[in-house]
Amino acid sequence: GAVVSQHPSWVICKSGTSVKIECRSLDFQATTMFWYRQFPKQSLMLMATSNEGSKATYEQGVEKDKFLINHASLTLSTLTVTSAHPEDSSFYICSARVRGAPTTGELFFGEGSRLTVL
Amino acid sequence: QKEVEQNSGPLSVPEGAIASLNCTYSDRGSQSFFWYRQYSGKSPELIMFIYSNGDKEDGRFTAQLNKASQYVSLLIRDSQPSDSATYLCAVKGYNFNKFYFGSGTKLNVKP
Repeated sequence: GAVVSQHPSWVICKSGTSVKIECRSLDFQATTMFWYRQFPKQSLMLMATSNEGSKATYEQGVEKDKFLINHASLTLSTLTVTSAHPEDSSFYICSARVRGAPTTGELFFGEGSRLTVL
Repeated sequence: QKEVEQNSGPLSVPEGAIASLNCTYSDRGSQSFFWYRQYSGKSPELIMFIYSNGDKEDGRFTAQLNKASQYVSLLIRDSQPSDSATYLCAVKGYNFNKFYFGSGTKLNVKP
């Protein structure tokens, strides 16, 4: 399957600081990437859809000014958690769909980034 | 009502048995259905997808889809301890960009 790389895999930061997470599609072009958040023992919750060259589309309840998404190229999307607080501690996972994928359009996931805010 | 519902489990089966995982969805316009496996602390990995009614087999895995009943299942034959994980059902809705995930079923395969 297609390879999606996410970095960093884990990060610890102080409350009030900002953290950037990168998501790269290594062997394919991804016009659309998705950012999910997963709290312990819960399922994936879609935060936003990142579209190359345009603004991200945020799900209801997700603060766009707090979770900044940039999709500058067909292979890179970044999520910046601004002014992080302990309640933002979670597992953040990006995913992408191969451009021109068949109608099934399966998602390929990055390795995930575990954020701990002290 | 949640878009995708799964029994959270845990589902415990002995090694070598058949594990049956179930999922129901609410959107009749859903087009494609996916099963992902997620090990603790890791991101999901795709096992199978299905979009036509009936069965689809891939090795020890069989996905079953019944659109009339809005039901999709995953059977794992000859279950192995390495199959122990949380299995997520995902449904791609009418909107091409929308994937809805169930809460996952935790499977324990006992040696």
